[in-house]
Amino acid sequence: EPEVTQTPSHQVTQMGQEVILRCVPISNHLYFYWYRQILGQKVEFLVSFYNNEISEKSEIFDDQFSVERPDGSNFTLKIRSTKLEDSAMYFCASSEVRLAVYEQYFGPGTRLTVT
Amino acid sequence: EDQVTQSPEALRLQEGESSSLNCSYTVSGLRGLFWYRQDPGKGPEFLFTLYSAGEEKEKERLKATLTKKESFLHITAPKPEDSATYLCAVRGGGNKLTFGTGTQLKVEL
Repeated sequence: EPEVTQTPSHQVTQMGQEVILRCVPISNHLYFYWYRQILGQKVEFLVSFYNNEISEKSEIFDDQFSVERPDGSNFTLKIRSTKLEDSAMYFCASSEVRLAVYEQYFGPGTRLTVT
Repeated sequence: EDQVTQSPEALRLQEGESSSLNCSYTVSGLRGLFWYRQDPGKGPEFLFTLYSAGEEKEKERLKATLTKKESFLHITAPKPEDSATYLCAVRGGGNKLTFGTGTQLKVEL
């Protein structure tokens, strides 16, 4: 069964450093998303991406964040200058573009620890 | 702003003891209510999507129902492997999902 994959599973970085989180969405999906979950809190939407551009973003997704689809299979989230409060699980998700179907399938996540 | 409230926060059941989880929502123009299962340290696993009041969906021991204000996830004769956090999310405008805080279910032998 097709699934979303993410690398790395765990990333430790120092405050102020740049990190890139990588995702391979399900192959026939065209909508891509990033969510995050701070330990013990709810899953929060960051950004959605379609047709090579951001379609929606939350207030969390400020100028420190960017997304890119560098090739036909990968989808990345970059944090330019990490802060302690960026420590969280980051989930990538993808969905089909099909009439009335909006099911989002999530990857296993990347645990980001900022020290 | 879309809002999702789940109750109870935690639920402990004996194996075979059926129960229901609640998800109350506020959204302008519901375009889907989603149930996910999340195991510790893992990503949410898709279970169901419901689109309109009165709709029901089933999968093994799970059954999801939807009204205009809330959704229920009914668990019939649960087993220890059903232990997980169950997340409810809504889609209003756009494609983003707004999640609740989840119900942590523990099923004991």
